[in-house]
Amino acid sequence: KNEVEQSPQNLTAQEGEFITINCSYSVGISALHWLQQHPGGGIVSLFMLSSGKKKHGRLIATINIQEKHSSLHITASHPRDSAVYICAVPNSGYALNFGKGTSLLVTP
Amino acid sequence: KAGVTQTPRYLIKTRGQQVTLSCSPISGHRSVSWYQQTPGQGLQFLFEYFSETQRNKGNFPGRFSGRQFSNSRSEMNVSTLELGDSALYLCASSLDRFGIAGLNEQFFGPGTRLTVL
Repeated sequence: KNEVEQSPQNLTAQEGEFITINCSYSVGISALHWLQQHPGGGIVSLFMLSSGKKKHGRLIATINIQEKHSSLHITASHPRDSAVYICAVPNSGYALNFGKGTSLLVTP
Repeated sequence: KAGVTQTPRYLIKTRGQQVTLSCSPISGHRSVSWYQQTPGQGLQFLFEYFSETQRNKGNFPGRFSGRQFSNSRSEMNVSTLELGDSALYLCASSLDRFGIAGLNEQFFGPGTRLTVL
């Protein structure tokens, strides 16, 4: 089973700050998913990446396959970024293993 | 294009009862995965279906079962409900272009919140 560790577990930032969330996994993979979950439960897929870096608006995701590590960065954070961010990796091909999530609160 | 829909959104049952949850994937998506989310265990994989076949099953007891219909809609069933089954149940669909669901972007439904009393 591919173990997934996320850090930090909780994060509070002031509006405008640069935020980094980290994800490490135990078994080599072909792709990693970053998900966002807002209060109320809905989950949105932010990124799926297998190498290098991807950018979408103020969100940037990077992955280092050799070190089995990925980071999610949020530039110029805003209160609407407050959510739980979850990283997930494939396990046995058809399943996803999830990290425990990072709960982010951005205050005005 | 309509997103993934799940019905019902909320459900209250008592111990020993059974429940059926439904998931309609995005049109054209043939892979449907089910997940359970609880405060203690986080998100856990239940099972995945593709073209009416269960391709993988997570580490859950046999009380949890599912199926997929020819139109890709999927249902999951939990029999003999226990208090610990109270959770948010999420389904996700994907195009499965690469033949492996975990390597395709997944689109999640809003979830069904099940409370077992």
